[in-house]
Amino acid sequence: DTAVSQTPKYLVTQMGNDKSIKCEQNLGHDTMYWYKQDSKKFLKIMFSYNNKELIINETVPNRFSPKSPDKAHLNLHINSLELGDSAVYFCASSHGLAGSYEQYFGPGTRLTVT
Amino acid sequence: AQSVTQLDSQVPVFEEAPVELRCNYSSSVSVYLFWYVQYPNQGLQLLLKYLSGSTLVKGINGFEAEFNKSQTSFHLRKPSVHISDTAEYFCAVSDLTGNQFYFGTGTSLTVIP
Repeated sequence: DTAVSQTPKYLVTQMGNDKSIKCEQNLGHDTMYWYKQDSKKFLKIMFSYNNKELIINETVPNRFSPKSPDKAHLNLHINSLELGDSAVYFCASSHGLAGSYEQYFGPGTRLTVT
Repeated sequence: AQSVTQLDSQVPVFEEAPVELRCNYSSSVSVYLFWYVQYPNQGLQLLLKYLSGSTLVKGINGFEAEFNKSQTSFHLRKPSVHISDTAEYFCAVSDLTGNQFYFGTGTSLTVIP
């Protein structure tokens, strides 16, 4: 069983479109995250959810909105896609928000905006 | 706030040679330190972490790291690398609450046959 899964694996879309990326974890973890990895491999945390409450929201445009229907899912919705949104997006989860917990990552979603 | 610096963006090394990947951090508070590895076209996975106690931490795949508080460093080492170690390596730092978590810019390790 895959611990953290994401769909789709690849997403190609045009500027201005709205898209969603889904994430599910079957580890029973309380905290889930979204990261953006740019073309230079730089990883930036975008959001984290702990027990369905937004805990961290870095300086991310409000076109990005995380939605968590339950503890096992954290979906990422992006409105009005821009060229600069092209990146690999990773979902992750951990037992809790405390800094000592290991994060488990999904395989990533490669988003290409044309 | 914390920050992480990985000075070497690319490290080529011959197979069976030793390697050290450098990581320095800055923080005014106590931190936890991590090394994650990303194999090509995959997500990240934890290699090892330092929370407290012994400053020498052993991880998976023969890697180890040493926490040096005076030098604010957490360098990753392996005495003999394999082709399969070719990957991107990320150092990360977290405050004790987890509210401040940052990855370094990564070091690309290439093992040459």
